[in-house]
Amino acid sequence: AQTVTQSQPEMSVQEAETVTLSCTYDTSESDYYLFWYKQPPSRQMILVIRQEAYKQQNATENRFSVNFQKAAKSFSLKISDSQLGDAAMYFCAYRSPQGGSEKLVFGKGTKLTVNP
Amino acid sequence: KAGVTQTPRYLIKTRGQQVTLSCSPISGHRSVSWYQQTPGQGLQFLFEYFSETQRNKGNFPGRFSGRQFSNSRSEMNVSTLELGDSALYLCASSLVPGTYGYTFGSGTRLTVV
Repeated sequence: AQTVTQSQPEMSVQEAETVTLSCTYDTSESDYYLFWYKQPPSRQMILVIRQEAYKQQNATENRFSVNFQKAAKSFSLKISDSQLGDAAMYFCAYRSPQGGSEKLVFGKGTKLTVNP
Repeated sequence: KAGVTQTPRYLIKTRGQQVTLSCSPISGHRSVSWYQQTPGQGLQFLFEYFSETQRNKGNFPGRFSGRQFSNSRSEMNVSTLELGDSALYLCASSLVPGTYGYTFGSGTRLTVV
């Protein structure tokens, strides 16, 4: 079974600075999908960024980018020019391509605080 | 375009009772999944439905059940509630399974007393 580990329960960053959230995973599959979701106090999980394992190029969405290291099974999220609205819980998630299922395996999350 | 709608937003139930939670997916989305979120266990997969068929089920006791209707709306039911069932229950929908990814609702906060 796949597992996802987020080793930083909490992180803080100054507004306008850069922060990196760590995620490692364990799988025997060669093809899979990785996601970062954001959960603000409103509780709704919001997709931040998505990476297909077969793509070597790291995904980027505006101020959010990932560092995907397939051999090391590492998938970190970098937030540049941090804004107060970035404060939230961030979850790393793994999805197997088997059977067309959407099932996600989540890490325990990292609480990000943005200081003004 | 309306998002994923979950009702009710908050619920308080007594041990031993049963509860039904509702989820209306984004219009046109046919796949619905449910997750339980607790401080101790984190986010855990409950079920996945597509075209009224359960495609996948997580490791939960039989007290947890669900269904999907022909209009893609989904309900989950928990019978004989236990204190440990207190959690945020999140519903997510997608166009079809295996596509880009989910859109989540804001969840139902269930408290069992």
